Amino acid sequence: GAVVSQHPSRVICKSGTSVKIECRSLDFQATTMFWYRQFPKQSLMLMATSNEGSKATYEQGVEKDKFLINHASLTLSTLTVTSAHPEDSSFYICSARQTGGNQPQHFGDGTRLSIL
Amino acid sequence: AQTVTQSQPEMSVQEAETVTLSCTYDTSESNYYLFWYKQPPSRQMILVIRQEAYKQQNATENRFSVNFQKAAKSFSLKISDSQLGDTAMYFCAFMKHPEYGNKLVFGAGTILRVKS
Repeated sequence: GAVVSQHPSRVICKSGTSVKIECRSLDFQATTMFWYRQFPKQSLMLMATSNEGSKATYEQGVEKDKFLINHASLTLSTLTVTSAHPEDSSFYICSARQTGGNQPQHFGDGTRLSIL
Repeated sequence: AQTVTQSQPEMSVQEAETVTLSCTYDTSESNYYLFWYKQPPSRQMILVIRQEAYKQQNATENRFSVNFQKAAKSFSLKISDSQLGDTAMYFCAFMKHPEYGNKLVFGAGTILRVKS
């Protein structure tokens, strides 16, 4: 149980392209999803918290117009990297948390984004 | 703000032996949760074990156990009978009680290599 699917797993595209990454909770409802960015051999950096039906909460220093987050249903959140540039190349990971109590976050497999 | 410190960037252990990964944290909260996540080369984040701060008993999950010292704000992970599949990056993480938000604060990680 508690499976989170993230798609695509790998994206290579040209500079200036917008890229959408999907995060789905397959067997549970997630009112809250999280988006992280991870550089090689470093820790996960929280970018934003996505709440179903409301605006995402962005961490300090993260450009909300650059990283658009939509959480339209209890099982789907999307992250769109708009007009991506080489410095946006990174590993992006989503997680979803089941509603209630002390439920842990369950992570997707991540998306490796490479901007040429 | 909460901080999580993992002071061991890399560690090695011989197969079948025991290894302990250290983690300390700083918080003014009294009620919170602590986690250990594992990230193998496949990059998927896997929950290893979790501890609720109000519980004095240390959590255990098969070969994985923690030494939770609340007063010292220490949360170490012990891996017994190490296996090659335990090779991964291990992250210690802190979460305030869900009533006050669900964000995870991660440590910098420890790369563990299990040698045959």
